[in-house]
Amino acid sequence: GQSLEQPSEVTAVEGAIVQINCTYQTSGFYGLSWYQQHDGGAPTFLSYNGLDGLEETGRFSSFLSRSDSYGYLLLQELQMKDSASYFCAVRDRNTGGFKTIFGAGTRLFVKA
Amino acid sequence: DAGVIQSPRHEVTEMGQEVTLRCKPISGHNSLFWYRQTMMRGLELLIYFNNNVPIDDSGMPEDRFSAKMPNASFSTLKIQPSEPRDSAVYFCASRGRGLGDLETQYFGPGTRLLVL
Repeated sequence: GQSLEQPSEVTAVEGAIVQINCTYQTSGFYGLSWYQQHDGGAPTFLSYNGLDGLEETGRFSSFLSRSDSYGYLLLQELQMKDSASYFCAVRDRNTGGFKTIFGAGTRLFVKA
Repeated sequence: DAGVIQSPRHEVTEMGQEVTLRCKPISGHNSLFWYRQTMMRGLELLIYFNNNVPIDDSGMPEDRFSAKMPNASFSTLKIQPSEPRDSAVYFCASRGRGLGDLETQYFGPGTRLLVL
């Protein structure tokens, strides 16, 4: 089967750095994505790691270690608008194509 | 580009009624996904299509749920009969076919369904 684990909640202060971890178990792993969702909104794509290492996009970075089945999302210079839920998602190969399995999400609270 | 379009945005219905949710993916995208999101169960993949063909419907809860994609620009998710436990936000997402698009799903605004 497939499973993803990430913390349910994280709290940090404005301007700080926060890391959201994700561990996964899947049979046909092909890559790890991160999505952001504000309350009442739809998930929006943040980043993708297909290979080991760090991917940087502005204030956000994502890391993957395939050998450890582990990844994280790093948010720097936190802003109040970063308060949202963050989902890790595994792209899993199955017959006929690829599907994406989402974790339960980590709710990030940014305090002033 | 208008993005993924879903209708209706909100639906309130009574138990036993038929509900039809609609989705128009981004033009040129060849994969379409239906998700359901609740506080208890999170974001669940119900079904996904590739080139209008259903690839994996293992997430469809039961026979009351059905999905179709008659062409590349339209999909429906139908619940018949609806039950209160079907109350959730239903998202449609699409994905492109280019190498740079394979990792990115674009979500619609969702349909908030309440079954009384």
